[in-house]
This record gives sequence, C-alpha cells and structure tokens, in this order.
Amino acid sequence: AQKVTQAQTEISVVEKEDVTLDCVYETRDTTYYLFWYKQPPSGELVFLIRRNSFDEQNEISGRYSWNFQKSTSSFNFTITASQVVDSAVYFCALSEAGVTGGGNKLTFGTGTQLKVEL
Amino acid sequence: DVKVTQSSRYLVKRTGEKVFLECVQDMDHENMFWYRQDPGLGLRLIYFSYDVKMKEKGDIPEGYSVSREKKERFSLILESASTNQTSMYLCASSWGGTGIFGAQHFGDGTRLSIL
Repeated sequence: AQKVTQAQTEISVVEKEDVTLDCVYETRDTTYYLFWYKQPPSGELVFLIRRNSFDEQNEISGRYSWNFQKSTSSFNFTITASQVVDSAVYFCALSEAGVTGGGNKLTFGTGTQLKVEL
Repeated sequence: DVKVTQSSRYLVKRTGEKVFLECVQDMDHENMFWYRQDPGLGLRLIYFSYDVKMKEKGDIPEGYSVSREKKERFSLILESASTNQTSMYLCASSWGGTGIFGAQHFGDGTRLSIL
C-alpha cells in the first residue's frame, strides 16, 4: 500500500529563517509522481510542484526548492528566507498509476503546519 | 486558470438529512475527486470518477455516494447525515488517461457541520 509520512506536525520559525519540510513515502510502483500542495488559511489547496520517479534532479523556484532522493524515499521541501505569507499547511502527496482508466489517485500525508512569525 | 467551484463554503445540516455537495470544474477534466479533511488525518479520498457516469470507491466511501451525469459536475451525497461526517470536504479535478499524472486542482472546500 502507498503511504506518505510527514513527521513534522507543526513548525514555527521567525521570518527570514530557512525551513525544511520533510516527506517520506512508500510505494511498490516503479513509476510514480510526487506532489507538494500548500493550504493557506483560506482553505484552498494550491499545487506547488510535481516530480516523476525518474527525475531526481533538485528543483528551485524562487525561494522554494525541492530535494528528491529515491535512495531514502524522501521528497523534502525547503523555503529560503521565509515570510509571513508562507504560513500555511503543506501537504506532500504520492500518485499511483491506478488500475482503471482514470489513474492518478493521490495519497496525502497528514500535513505540516508552518507558522512564520515576525 | 483551472477553476473548481464548490457550491457552498459553509453548510449546517441535521442528523438524518440527505445532503448534497456540488462541484463544478471548467477545464474539461476527465477525473474528478471528493476528499474529506480532518485534523491529524490529512486528506482522505472518498470517491472519484474518471468519466461521465463512472465512479470508483476511494479509501472511505461508507456513508457516501456520488453522481456524475455531466463531465463538468461531480456531486457528493450523504444519504443520511451523521455527526461523524462533520468535516471539511474538498473537490478536485485533473486530466485523465492511464499513465497521465496530472496535478489535481482543488476547490475552496465546504465546511460541513452535522448537528
């Protein structure tokens, strides 16, 4: 069975600090995708990034960066120079191929609440 | 931009009522999903649909049913609401097809309270 673990329930940092959100996954599939979503207080989940299982290159987008390591089944997310607007719940998710025509069911972790304070 | 619209942000219903939650997407996506979100449990998949009139059970389908009569609309039905169904409900849609791992796009959520 697929599983995503986000061991950090809540993280508090002061603005401008760097912060890393951990994500560890389990799957028997050889082809899979990993995702990160952000859920601000307004409630809507916002898609941040998708990474396939064959691409282990790290990715940087502005203050965000992602470190995918298949050897440790981890897909960690780092925010550099955090800002108050980064305060949100962040979810890591894993997509399985599915046996029906639709595919791409997501298994979510339990989320990490990030609080960035002044 | 993809737009997924859920009919209500907040809803209060009584135990035993039949409750309908509606979701509409405007991007011609094949796949649509219903999740519930509870503190400490993350998002759990209730049902999903990969085509009109098609549906598949997710991880927690008990007490729920769904309807997809049109491609853009996916309804979640609580046949006889109970207090343990008080939760945040999130609808999502994505491109379909086997092997296509499109990102799911979410609505704003419906916070449902069953009294």
